Amino acid sequence: AQRVTQPEKLLSVFKGAPVELKCNYSYSGSPELFWYVQYSRQRLQLLLRHISRESIKGFTADLNKGETSFHLKKPFAQEEDSAMYYCALSGNRSGGSNYKLTFGKGTLLTVNP
Amino acid sequence: DAGITQSPRHKVTETGTPVTLRCHQTENHRYMYWYRQDPGHGLRLIHYSYGVKDTDKGEVSDGYSVSRSKTEDFLLTLESATSSQTSVYFCAIMSGSSYNEQFFGPGTRLTVL
Repeated sequence: AQRVTQPEKLLSVFKGAPVELKCNYSYSGSPELFWYVQYSRQRLQLLLRHISRESIKGFTADLNKGETSFHLKKPFAQEEDSAMYYCALSGNRSGGSNYKLTFGKGTLLTVNP
Repeated sequence: DAGITQSPRHKVTETGTPVTLRCHQTENHRYMYWYRQDPGHGLRLIHYSYGVKDTDKGEVSDGYSVSRSKTEDFLLTLESATSSQTSVYFCAIMSGSSYNEQFFGPGTRLTVL
């Protein structure tokens, strides 16, 4: 079974402060991990995927297989980063058609001025 | 937005009435999904489809049925709506890339009185 845990429901930081949103997962194979962002009353948008090792809007996330974590980080938070963030996991397609995403319950980030 | 639309965007209905939500995509994606989003629960998969007339249950499928008679349309039906089905419903498609990422529709806010 695959599981995603986001331990913080709420996270509040000040503008310019570093931010880290935690994500831990449970999966027996090689997972694909994603971060999605949802701004107020909008659709979910893909923020980044671990396999691309990209940086979007200043956010990065590193897959740590030893700790089974995929924490999202940004060195200097901005007010426009305030949103709900979801971590999601999918199994590897080559491992036998796992075409579903399992989502964590989300962390609501508030960046205060 | 990956060519995904949902209708209606908002609906208020009464307990016991049938409700059908529509998801429409324009890019011929094979995989389509219905989620519900609730505070404290994140996103939970209701049903998904892997082709025309091919559907399967997700983790919260009780009280819901789906149909997919055309590639572009995936319908979610609440046969007899209950107040516990008050939620925001999101449709998603899986991209055609080598990743298992999904792209989401704008959501339907359903209130069952």
